[in-house]
Amino acid sequence: DAGVIQSPRHEVTEMGQEVTLRCKPISGHDYLFWYRQTMMRGLELLIYFNNNVPIDDSGMPEDRFSAKMPNASFSTLKIQPSEPRDSAVYFCASSFISKGNTGELFFGEGSRLTVL
Amino acid sequence: ELKVEQNPLFLSMQEGKNYTIYCNYSTTSDRLYWYRQDPGKSLESLFVLLSNGAVKQEGRLMASLDTKARLSTLHITAAVHDLSATYFCAVGIRLTFGEGTQLTVNP
Repeated sequence: DAGVIQSPRHEVTEMGQEVTLRCKPISGHDYLFWYRQTMMRGLELLIYFNNNVPIDDSGMPEDRFSAKMPNASFSTLKIQPSEPRDSAVYFCASSFISKGNTGELFFGEGSRLTVL
Repeated sequence: ELKVEQNPLFLSMQEGKNYTIYCNYSTTSDRLYWYRQDPGKSLESLFVLLSNGAVKQEGRLMASLDTKARLSTLHITAAVHDLSATYFCAVGIRLTFGEGTQLTVNP
């Protein structure tokens, strides 16, 4: 399996622009997570899905952030409008959680966002 | 709200020495994970601990879990430079992460 695939790997944009980050989870995984990592705040869980349904979005910082998972193989994280404080590395991760399974989380390579 | 605390946050050690990283968490959980992150890279899974008393070892790293004390340890034996990285513990089904321990192993 190719692992969790994220795009773009790097994004530089100007304040006020819309940003869309994309994620393809590992086939067969039923959980998908979006994390944000910064030096100041560490790793923060933004939202996670189970079987394409958002379960907990309490980590989404503001209404400017939205996430969707239209099917089992694709998710997006959108920021509109973007602000400089959104600059961070955004990780997508997926797992398969069931009885007898470890629930180990597999991370993508991350999308490094810089908002000028 | 689940809180996960690691200590130390920064660890500088000499090659060949032993040390332990601690991970404390605030509420009961049946699973704990350890991850490694190299600078500018993604997170790599090291260990999955699923029961009280679980112990896992891989090379110079050994992880253990005490669910009653809500404590996990990551023990480093005879450290080598290649172990330099940031180590995270994560707890629970939604994986709440600790702050990370930045480990530097000096020759």
